[in-house]
Amino acid sequence: EAGVAQSPRYKIIEKRQSVAFWCNPISGHATLYWYQQILGQGPKLLIQFQNNGVVDDSQLPKDRFSAERLKGVDSTLKIQPAKLEDSAVYLCASRKQGSHQPQHFGDGTRLSIL
Amino acid sequence: AQSVTQLDSHVSVSEGTPVLLRCNYSSSYSPSLFWYVQHPNKGLQLLLKYTSAATLVKGINGFEAEFKKSETSFHLTKPSAHMSDAAEYFCVVIEDNYGQNFVFGPGTRLSVLP
Repeated sequence: EAGVAQSPRYKIIEKRQSVAFWCNPISGHATLYWYQQILGQGPKLLIQFQNNGVVDDSQLPKDRFSAERLKGVDSTLKIQPAKLEDSAVYLCASRKQGSHQPQHFGDGTRLSIL
Repeated sequence: AQSVTQLDSHVSVSEGTPVLLRCNYSSSYSPSLFWYVQHPNKGLQLLLKYTSAATLVKGINGFEAEFKKSETSFHLTKPSAHMSDAAEYFCVVIEDNYGQNFVFGPGTRLSVLP
């Protein structure tokens, strides 16, 4: 089974620019998560989708971050405008429906803000 | 609300000696618990999961964990460390009501000395 695919792997931009990340979950996984992982810390949930609906976006900085999951499959996460503190790894994870199911993670996108 | 404590931020062992990474949790329900490993520049990989079946859970790469409800613990062990085990380890808990909300511990960095 193919894993969670993310692109790009690395991105360097200047502050106040915009950036977008893409995630393709494992086929058939209804739930999709975006996490922000700052160096030396655990992942922090940004947004969770169930199919193409948002389940939890309480920690998403909505003034600059947006995410969508059209057609309940692929997802994009956008930052506009970027700030220095957005430098982090952005991880996407997907999960089958049902209790006890683990999350499966992509390799992430490492974002550096200059 | 559930929470996860990983008692050691950094553990250092010699190659060939046992590994013990400690995790305590709090949960209002019967939890599902997971251990993930993260190697540098990679996403999180599932090591093992506990979902209310056997309390001793075997995972990949020789790791295992024991669920102890009375101690609210889920410690990760391995009899003999390899150099390739050097990584960051995360203990994760979800509650059993549809299990959508994953709570991550802060992580334990494992170093393996030759």
